[in-house]
Amino acid sequence: EAGVAQSPRYKIIEKRQSVAFWCNPISGHATLYWYQQILGQGPKLLIQFQNNGVVDDSQLPKDRFSAERLKGVDSTLKIQPAKLEDSAVYLCASSLQLVTEAFFGQGTRLTVV
Amino acid sequence: TQLLEQSPQFLSIQEGENLTVYCNSSSVFSSLQWYRQEPGEGPVLLVTVVTGGEVKKLKRLTFQFGDARKDSSLHITAAQPGDTGLYLCAGLIQGAQKLVFGQGTRLTINP
Repeated sequence: EAGVAQSPRYKIIEKRQSVAFWCNPISGHATLYWYQQILGQGPKLLIQFQNNGVVDDSQLPKDRFSAERLKGVDSTLKIQPAKLEDSAVYLCASSLQLVTEAFFGQGTRLTVV
Repeated sequence: TQLLEQSPQFLSIQEGENLTVYCNSSSVFSSLQWYRQEPGEGPVLLVTVVTGGEVKKLKRLTFQFGDARKDSSLHITAAQPGDTGLYLCAGLIQGAQKLVFGQGTRLTINP
């Protein structure tokens, strides 16, 4: 079975620029998560989708971050404008349902300079 | 504020020693998961515990869920260099059904 696919793997941008990340979850998985992992820390949940509806986005900085999950499958996470403190690995994960095992992609490493 | 507190944050021991990593919270979880993360990769699930007091074994790893479903521990017997990595606990918050992670324990096993 194919895993969670994320792109790009690496991205370097200047502060105040925009960036978008893409995630293709495992086929049939209803739940999709975006996490931010700053170096040396555990993943921090940014947003959680169930199909194409948002379950939780309480920690998403909505003034600059946005996310959507088109047709309940692929998802994109956008940052506009980026700040230096946004430098992190952005992980996408999916699970069959809310309470089952989460499978993670390799992540996108973002560096804001 | 970290919902799940892991301790220790860093641990470096010699091959063959035993160790325990703790994951504590004041919140109750529907289930608790342990993941291991290698550099440049996403976390990979090791185990899920669901019932208070539950103990699960995975070869040399023993996982325990607290009776009140607020805490968990991971015990490794006779640690090997291949056990080196970042160990993360993650809890499914009861009622909210969102998966939150601890800050991780970076484990180094020296040959």
